[in-house]
Amino acid sequence: AQSVTQLGSHVSVSEGALVLLRCNYSSSVPPYLFWYVQYPNQGLQLLLKYTSAATLVKGINGFEAEFKKSETSFHLTKPSAHMSDAAEYFCAVISGGYQKVTFGTGTKLQVIP
Amino acid sequence: KAGVTQTPRYLIKTRGQQVTLSCSPISGHRSVSWYQQTPGQGLQFLFEYFSETQRNKGNFPGRFSGRQFSNSRSEMNVSTLELGDSALYLCASSLSSGSGTDTQYFGPGTRLTVL
Repeated sequence: AQSVTQLGSHVSVSEGALVLLRCNYSSSVPPYLFWYVQYPNQGLQLLLKYTSAATLVKGINGFEAEFKKSETSFHLTKPSAHMSDAAEYFCAVISGGYQKVTFGTGTKLQVIP
Repeated sequence: KAGVTQTPRYLIKTRGQQVTLSCSPISGHRSVSWYQQTPGQGLQFLFEYFSETQRNKGNFPGRFSGRQFSNSRSEMNVSTLELGDSALYLCASSLSSGSGTDTQYFGPGTRLTVL
């Protein structure tokens, strides 16, 4: 069985501050991990993915995430928040092949000017 | 290259009716997955189709069904609609090598409201 836990359903940061969105996973086999972003009334857009090639993964829009097996974590960070980063972010996991994706419950990021 | 398209974008139905949603994947993509998104349950996997065969299925009742055509387009059907079926239904396509590393590309979704 696989699962992801996102700590904090709402996160607020000031514009220019560090963004840290937390994700912990549970998987009985090596997982593939993803971060998606969803803007209002839109579908999901892939930010980045971990597929075991490198533990530090760089994505679009300045986001990156580090896979830490010992902590079963895959936290998403961005050094400096921008107003356009305000959205909902989902962590997701695939394990055992194929395309059955398990999503976290999402974290809504608010950026305060 | 055109993205994933879903039709219709918005739909209003009444309890007991049935509904069919359509998804056209990115050209060349052979895998199509469907998800239900609700405020209470979040994003939940419905099923995945590859080469016209259902390859994975989530934990939804039999009222939810789908199919995939030879051109990879997919439809999902919900029969005997319930109020709780009100949700955003998202479709995602991928090349699908089966390894799990393929990126899924999502459509904008169909917003279904059941009255």
